Amino acid sequence: DTGVSQDPRHKITKRGQNVTFRCDPISEHNRLYWYRQTLGQGPEFLTYFQNEAQLEKSRLLSDRFSAERPKGSFSTLEIQRTEQGDSAMYLCASSNRDSEAFFGQGTRLTVV
Amino acid sequence: AQSVTQLDSQVPVFEEAPVELRCNYSSSVSVYLFWYVQYPNQGLQLLLKYLSGSTLVKGINGFEAEFNKSQTSFHLRKPSVHISDTAEYFCAVKNSGYALNFGKGTSLLVTP
Repeated sequence: DTGVSQDPRHKITKRGQNVTFRCDPISEHNRLYWYRQTLGQGPEFLTYFQNEAQLEKSRLLSDRFSAERPKGSFSTLEIQRTEQGDSAMYLCASSNRDSEAFFGQGTRLTVV
Repeated sequence: AQSVTQLDSQVPVFEEAPVELRCNYSSSVSVYLFWYVQYPNQGLQLLLKYLSGSTLVKGINGFEAEFNKSQTSFHLRKPSVHISDTAEYFCAVKNSGYALNFGKGTSLLVTP
């Protein structure tokens, strides 16, 4: 197993466009998390899935953001009508218990 | 609500010198504590974790941390650093919720 995989690694988009990111967790992990990290800050929690159920959403996740995990395996994070403030690193993590989360390398989004 | 304070935003240190990166948390209930390392343009890698038991926790790359409940601290230490330890270090706490709550990070810069 190669760990948590995220695609793309980098994305540059124009303001107002929609973008979608993909996360493939470690195969036996049923828990999946999305975080956002801006420059000089620690990661901030966005949302959490257990299998296909989205169990928790941060208030950071505005209505322009939507996340899915349709079959309890990979997940997508979509941002509609992107704004410059959405520029950040989007990190995905997975786990199968409370003890630790394994992170992917992230998708760096730049909105111009 | 729990919070994490990393007391130093930057820590410069010479190669082979000891280092301590400080972390304090606020929580009224039992917590899980973590230290993650992030290299430039990479995701987060778990260094070590405290779940229960011995308050001295050993991790990868020669790092260790001590959980101090009375001082609500979880400081990270290494007796002799290498140039390759230059990175961003994040302390994180988790209790009954699903999400990790991260500090703002400490940038460790090791110079010859």
